[in-house]
Amino acid sequence: LAKTTQPISMDSYEGQEVNITCSHNNIATNDYITWYQQFPSQGPRFIIQGYKTKVTNEVASLFIPADRKSSTLSLPRVSLSDTAVYYCLVAGDNTDKLIFGTGTRLQVFP
Amino acid sequence: DAGITQSPRYKITETGRQVTLMCHQTWSHSYMFWYRQDLGHGLRLIYYSAAADITDKGEVPDGYVVSRSKTENFPLTLESATRSQTSVYFCASTWDRGGDEQFFGPGTRLTVL
Repeated sequence: LAKTTQPISMDSYEGQEVNITCSHNNIATNDYITWYQQFPSQGPRFIIQGYKTKVTNEVASLFIPADRKSSTLSLPRVSLSDTAVYYCLVAGDNTDKLIFGTGTRLQVFP
Repeated sequence: DAGITQSPRYKITETGRQVTLMCHQTWSHSYMFWYRQDLGHGLRLIYYSAAADITDKGEVPDGYVVSRSKTENFPLTLESATRSQTSVYFCASTWDRGGDEQFFGPGTRLTVL
């Protein structure tokens, strides 16, 4: 069971780079690592997904070491609008084992 | 409207009453999910469905019933609501399996008095 562990909260300032790490020691071979963003009173929204090494899209980068026991979501130059809760999800073929965890609450200050 | 919708958005009911939360998606996604979100627990999977007429339990299924007679609809029923079922409920869908990108609805805030 690929349970995830993330910091409960993080603070940052506008323009800084934010790195949120997720620990997933029991990740399975078929599991992918997916990050979601959630604003208050909204459903989570997909940010990025990866299997190994590094993945980058227009909003974030995802770094995954060779052992895949952890992953780091990197948000470059955050703005106030990045204030949200970020969830790390490790899942693959075993749909009944989907566990999001409690997420990381990111607060960005001016 | 394209996408995934939930109804009602807000619901207040009393202990012991039956409540049904609706979820509708327009993408013909195979997989659909129901989650509940409570403070301190994040998102917890209640039930999921891999296709029409195929449903299975998630992490916290007790007290809930689901059905999926059509691909686009996935209703969640609380047969006898309890106060512990006060929560925000999210429906989600995806093409192939749980590990793929999930698309979430706006949520239903349910209060059981």
